[in-house]
Amino acid sequence: NAGVTQTPKFRILKIGQSMTLQCTQDMNHNYMYWYRQDPGMGLKLIYYSVGAGITDKGEVPNGYNVSRSTTEDFPLRLELAAPSQTSVYFCASRSREGYGYTFGSGTRLTVV
Amino acid sequence: AQTVTQSQPEMSVQEAETVTLSCTYDTSENNYYLFWYKQPPSRQMILVIRQEAYKQQNATENRFSVNFQKAAKSFSLKISDSQLGDTAMYFCAFVGGSSNTGKLIFGQGTTLQVKP
Repeated sequence: NAGVTQTPKFRILKIGQSMTLQCTQDMNHNYMYWYRQDPGMGLKLIYYSVGAGITDKGEVPNGYNVSRSTTEDFPLRLELAAPSQTSVYFCASRSREGYGYTFGSGTRLTVV
Repeated sequence: AQTVTQSQPEMSVQEAETVTLSCTYDTSENNYYLFWYKQPPSRQMILVIRQEAYKQQNATENRFSVNFQKAAKSFSLKISDSQLGDTAMYFCAFVGGSSNTGKLIFGQGTTLQVKP
């Protein structure tokens, strides 16, 4: 049981480049979330999904896009990367019934 | 809007001693869940303890216990017999029980250093 898998673990982007952060879970969880964590700060919600085909904005969605074509996958797309997007990104999932959240190991992104 | 506040950015404790991390939250809901997560230098988010608001009994997990004061909207974490491996950033988090989205709201975090 792999839980929540995020790739890549590290990435350096140049300003203006684009990339997709991958997130996959194998627990058949309905709910999935993307958070960002700036240095020394808490996690802020970027986007979330309550099921395949359904996504919605969180607290800090600007500069990002998501899709949820399957229950397992919830990729986060960065378009036109900016230095302000330098952060650690976490994907998480949760079943509909319970309140047990599973987090991925994070992606450290640096935009230069 | 629901908020979570951790007013102690950094704390330190001597090995084997006890330390308490503070957390307050704001909500108009009556049923909700509160969490403490540990984030060591590896970045992994590790669940330490969970409290359901409708349960009056404070949750306990080995050396970790909480003091849940619902009326005061306070949720502190007590770590007994501190160990060097407890050195990490600790986050308090909240989710509303009536939420159909399950969005976790995090505090700013408290960095705990356990000194030998």
